Amino acid sequence: GQSLEQPSEVTAVEGAIVQINCTYQTSGFYGLSWYQQHDGGAPTFLSYNGLDGLEETGRFSSFLSRSDSYGYLLLQELQMKDSASYFCAVHTGNTPLVFGKGTRLSVIA
Amino acid sequence: GAGVSQTPSNKVTEKGKYVELRCDPISGHTALYWYRQSLGQGPEFLIYFQGTGAADDSGLPNDRFFAVRPEGSVSTLKIQRTERGDSAVYLCASSLKRTGDNEQFFGPGTRLTVL
Repeated sequence: GQSLEQPSEVTAVEGAIVQINCTYQTSGFYGLSWYQQHDGGAPTFLSYNGLDGLEETGRFSSFLSRSDSYGYLLLQELQMKDSASYFCAVHTGNTPLVFGKGTRLSVIA
Repeated sequence: GAGVSQTPSNKVTEKGKYVELRCDPISGHTALYWYRQSLGQGPEFLIYFQGTGAADDSGLPNDRFFAVRPEGSVSTLKIQRTERGDSAVYLCASSLKRTGDNEQFFGPGTRLTVL
């Protein structure tokens, strides 16, 4: 089966940088995605890593290390609107996306 | 361009009843997915369609759950003899294709409450 681990909650100050880690155990790994979900809203796609290394999209970056079965999402210049839940999700090639339980990010002034 | 839409947004039903949840994907998206999400959890995969056929239904919890996509566009998730444990937000997503880095576009979900 597949399993993903990510912290349940993270709190950070507005303007700061925060890193949300994700470790996974899976077979047939193709890549790692990150989704953001505001309370009561739909998950929205943030990034995908199919290869090792860092992918940067504006204030958000995502990193993958296949050998360590590990990835992270980095959010810079935090804004209050970044308060949301963040999910890592693995692509296995056999089963559509398998999501982690999510990390609830609270941005405080 | 409209996004993924789902109806109804909320559904309250009694234990033992039958419900249908509808998903209207983004036009041209051949892949369609159903997930359900319980409070404090990530979306849990239920079933995936590529075109009209169910390519993977391994996530359906039991035979009370069934989904169709007869014309390769709109999909309906059907739940028979609902149980209180079926209460959750049912999410639909669509994408251009199944594989790799394709972003899945999620609808707002249907919140199902079984009393």
